[in-house]
Amino acid sequence: GEDVEQSLFLSVREGDSSVINCTYTDSSSTYLYWYKQEPGAGLQLLTYIFSNMDMKQDQRLTVLLNKKDKHLSLRIADTQTGDSAIYFCAERSRGGSQGNLIFGKGTKLSVKP
Amino acid sequence: ETGVTQTPRHLVMGMTNKKSLKCEQHLGHNAMYWYKQSAKKPLELMFVYNFKEQTENNSVPSRFSPECPNSSHLFLHLHTLQPEDSALYLCASSQDRGGGGRHEQFFGPGTRLTVL
Repeated sequence: GEDVEQSLFLSVREGDSSVINCTYTDSSSTYLYWYKQEPGAGLQLLTYIFSNMDMKQDQRLTVLLNKKDKHLSLRIADTQTGDSAIYFCAERSRGGSQGNLIFGKGTKLSVKP
Repeated sequence: ETGVTQTPRHLVMGMTNKKSLKCEQHLGHNAMYWYKQSAKKPLELMFVYNFKEQTENNSVPSRFSPECPNSSHLFLHLHTLQPEDSALYLCASSQDRGGGGRHEQFFGPGTRLTVL
């Protein structure tokens, strides 16, 4: 079945780069997304990548996609304390749950001053 | 109001109460979703509506009853809930669910539900 896996925690120092990793199982995924959830809030779309791309850069955010290994990563450059949040990887499935988003459990990023 | 709004933001209810959660989107979207977010579990999709028609019910117990009177409003009616139903309930909307587009979903802030 469809599954999205992420590590649960990541801790970095302010100013360092953060890399959050995600693996997925559905090779027919068309779009992959990164969402951010701050405490007490809903999910906010950060960025997305289409499956025929291998990299996308948006200011401090870089998304890398390795389709062969079904691996997605989000790099945050110059991480700030305001980046502390839970980051969710999601894929848009073409399989049994057509059109639905399949989410990982989320990676909690803690940024230490 | 902009984006996706949800009311109430917090709700405490007993197991015999009946309550409703409300979601409203101001984005002109045609698809709306209910998700349940519990600690240490992936987001669980509960219901999907596309152009006011329910297109998905992910084996959700009948004590949760959705209603979509129009493309901008979505309700989740709750009755005789269990303590394990305590969670953050998130509403989302997207342009629609068909075709090959991005269909990115925009989320509301959620309703934190506690069932005593």
